[in-house]
Amino acid sequence: DAKTTQPTSMDCAEGRAANLPCNHSTISGNEYVYWYRQIHSQGPQYIIHGLKNNETNEMASLIITEDRKSSTLILPHATLRDTAVYYCIVRVYPSGNTPLVFGKGTRLSVIA
Amino acid sequence: GAVVSQHPSWVICKSGTSVKIECRSLDFQATTMFWYRQFPKQSLMLMATSNEGSKATYEQGVEKDKFLINHASLTLSTLTVTSAHPEDSSFYICSASYTGRPFGPGTRLTVT
Repeated sequence: DAKTTQPTSMDCAEGRAANLPCNHSTISGNEYVYWYRQIHSQGPQYIIHGLKNNETNEMASLIITEDRKSSTLILPHATLRDTAVYYCIVRVYPSGNTPLVFGKGTRLSVIA
Repeated sequence: GAVVSQHPSWVICKSGTSVKIECRSLDFQATTMFWYRQFPKQSLMLMATSNEGSKATYEQGVEKDKFLINHASLTLSTLTVTSAHPEDSSFYICSASYTGRPFGPGTRLTVT
């Protein structure tokens, strides 16, 4: 799986959009970008994934650059409950029985 | 969506005793489950891959005789920490090989 680079931490004001970047310059053509988050003392939660087109669901939007070397997860209206560590993971899909490998992620703090 | 449960959610045990953690897929069958552990302020580290009806595959550095994994059915995998020591105190999380890679809520183990 391609390596990803994320900022260690970010702050965001409540109600504002949170934009979390991820660099994955060595991504292969058949690798997808996945985002998970982990709220303190809970298991990780799937957010969204994409290949090359921008994706949106009820939780977030995923913007992938045209060269696919980086992406941004957007939480449109961050709330205090969005405070968590966000993980960007690049991997082949479908991935069969291979595990997700987590990097250090970005610790997002949403501030009132 | 697919739900994974873990039991117990937290446990305190004395040094030298063994502790069993259960991971169940509630509304789907999982031929493969993954076990992670997470130390404070660190990311999830993959410990082993558990396959139904066969031996688990352990990551380098994880003692298979200390962390016994059993995947006897398509809905249950167990992790037994044998002869636990304080350094085994950690947050243990399981995940299932299924759409969205659902994760359990985690089990916090404290060895005194």
